[in-house]
Amino acid sequence: DSGVTQTPKHLITATGQRVTLRCSPRSGDLSVYWYQQSLDQGLQFLIQYYNGEERAKGNILERFSAQQFPDLHSELNLSSLELGDSALYFCASSVGKGQWTHEQYFGPGTRLTVT
Amino acid sequence: DAKTTQPNSMESNEEEPVHLPCNHSTISGTDYIHWYRQLPSQGPEYVIHGLTSNVNNRMASLAIAEDRKSSTLILHRATLRDAAVYYCILRLSGYALNFGKGTSLLVTP
Repeated sequence: DSGVTQTPKHLITATGQRVTLRCSPRSGDLSVYWYQQSLDQGLQFLIQYYNGEERAKGNILERFSAQQFPDLHSELNLSSLELGDSALYFCASSVGKGQWTHEQYFGPGTRLTVT
Repeated sequence: DAKTTQPNSMESNEEEPVHLPCNHSTISGTDYIHWYRQLPSQGPEYVIHGLTSNVNNRMASLAIAEDRKSSTLILHRATLRDAAVYYCILRLSGYALNFGKGTSLLVTP
């Protein structure tokens, strides 16, 4: 158990809909990262927040957005869903934000199926 | 961002040592080398990291070539629980993890 929790575990929704994925980082961790894992693209970094502020952006679509709240939990919002958005979405957390932070702790993931 | 190259798959016998290679010929002087693994149906898990010197921890050892263009993750005695996809990772400029395709390790009894 990494200490990172993600809800829900599974989500099935239709094309065009909007969903919210939630992540609670390990106690004391200030950074939250979101990753997407699909069969064709592998594991890809989407976005990082550090103590409530956006820190880095990866291959995140404009239809996707995220935020980190004062209690440090984070939400990933996916809108206008397409079939290709079906994937496993992982949240990870770490203590720091930068060069000297090497360990990220991953949650169990949310499996999103778009029909 | 520098890239890594790993074999798609490797096979090992249980209780035998496993050497998982990784090439990172475009690594920069300040890039740390990280290894993560992903067990079936789980999120990735940190294994080890290093910069220049060889590193050991309770899970594995990391051997880094003198020119830093390659590294090897060493599992000293593979168990069935070690069957996973192993990722050799350099980081993106924002310090997020830049996962490649990884090496799928099969451990046979």
